[in-house]
Amino acid sequence: RKEVEQDPGPFNVPEGATVAFNCTYSNSASQSFFWYRQDCRKEPKLLMSVYSSGNEDGRFTAQLNRASQYISLLIRDSKLSDSATYLCVVLVSSNTGKLIFGQGTTLQVKP
Amino acid sequence: DGGITQSPKYLFRKEGQNVTLSCEQNLNHDAMYWYRQDPGQGLRLIYYSQIVNDFQKGDIAEGYSVSREKKESFPLTVTSAQKNPTAFYLCASSTWDRGGNEQFFGPGTRLTVL
Repeated sequence: RKEVEQDPGPFNVPEGATVAFNCTYSNSASQSFFWYRQDCRKEPKLLMSVYSSGNEDGRFTAQLNRASQYISLLIRDSKLSDSATYLCVVLVSSNTGKLIFGQGTTLQVKP
Repeated sequence: DGGITQSPKYLFRKEGQNVTLSCEQNLNHDAMYWYRQDPGQGLRLIYYSQIVNDFQKGDIAEGYSVSREKKESFPLTVTSAQKNPTAFYLCASSTWDRGGNEQFFGPGTRLTVL
């Protein structure tokens, strides 16, 4: 079983749609969680950090369910510019700062 | 402008050659990391360094070497011992905060072995 699992997609949605991605992690001791966005052939960029039960930033909402060991990302009112790959990332050790990356979920927003 | 720079952007290497990838940051971050990304896969950790003159192996360190002589710099050498070096290499840095550890990435170097 992978340490961090995501549905690779692609998710094809029309502009204005609401889309949700889920991510599961295997290490119950994981402490911090992040969503990164990666555009084609570019570096990942931090989208949101998820430290407690969840947080919201504009159209984006991230939620954490520790009991079930999954994290979700909800995007409301999708824009064409939201098309990218979204990486679920888990901090497995605060001593080393080691992050584990999921393979990513690809989103394509269509006009 | 504060940030992380990597050079070169594209690198071509013949089999049997060592190459060094540059990573510099002016964010005053303590920790620096090297990852490789292969198509359709998540990032995998090669090496990381929490302080100057100290570094640790990640999950796939074989065939790679690093140094951390300055806080700002963390070069990665891909040696001829690395069996499949063609990949996208990403350098990242972070503050050393045990409550968070948000990592920020440079633009990456695409290495192709001919």
